[in-house]
Amino acid sequence: EVQVLESGGGLVQPGGSLRLSCAASGFTFSSYAMSWVRQAPGKGLEWVSGISGSGGSTYYADSVKGRFTMSRDNSKNTVYLQMNSLRAEDTAVYYCGKGVGYYYYYGMDVWGQGTTVTVSS
Amino acid sequence: QSALTQPASVSGSPGQSITISCTGTSSDVGGYNLVSWYQQHPGKAPKLMIHEGSKRPSAVSNRFSGSKSGNTASLTISGLQAEDEADYYCCSYAGSSTLVFGGGTKLTVL
Repeated sequence: EVQVLESGGGLVQPGGSLRLSCAASGFTFSSYAMSWVRQAPGKGLEWVSGISGSGGSTYYADSVKGRFTMSRDNSKNTVYLQMNSLRAEDTAVYYCGKGVGYYYYYGMDVWGQGTTVTVSS
Repeated sequence: QSALTQPASVSGSPGQSITISCTGTSSDVGGYNLVSWYQQHPGKAPKLMIHEGSKRPSAVSNRFSGSKSGNTASLTISGLQAEDEADYYCCSYAGSSTLVFGGGTKLTVL
């Protein structure tokens, strides 16, 4: 079964850091792009970041550029989202999504259940 | 990266057809054939319904279809069923290696 499973969410103070992980299984991991998408409480979806299958290219929304870093370890079938300088507006459920193909912009066909990040003092 | 424009809500009766619009610009929806559509039930993860404008994953019912005209993409659901009641989001490549989502549309099955 193709699936992805996020972890690493929690409560963090403004200005703090957190690293999210997304473990994948059931498909040839390195052949597919991956993305992170977040959803603030009661709000819509917001694309955060994408990464190519090889990990050689990463892409970010303007709202997180310079603060978040996406990476992947194809030997562990895992993608990561390192989040620094966190702000209250980063509070959201963070979803990991498997790309339809090698390029992240084709769409995301498998989603995890999400992990909750709360930024508050 | 301005959000794509979707109607806040649409409704229809069982068996009817409805269409959800997603309006952008020539820099996103109109410039690429890279619109995807997602269904999200309350408290659940999104589910891909359409990708690359009109391609439907094999597990998705053929009652769902996608199209585009100019800067507006559309998701049409035919033969509306109670389980189709959910939030729907469009998403488009927006150039500069970014993706942009619409604000979401709440579909009510009367």
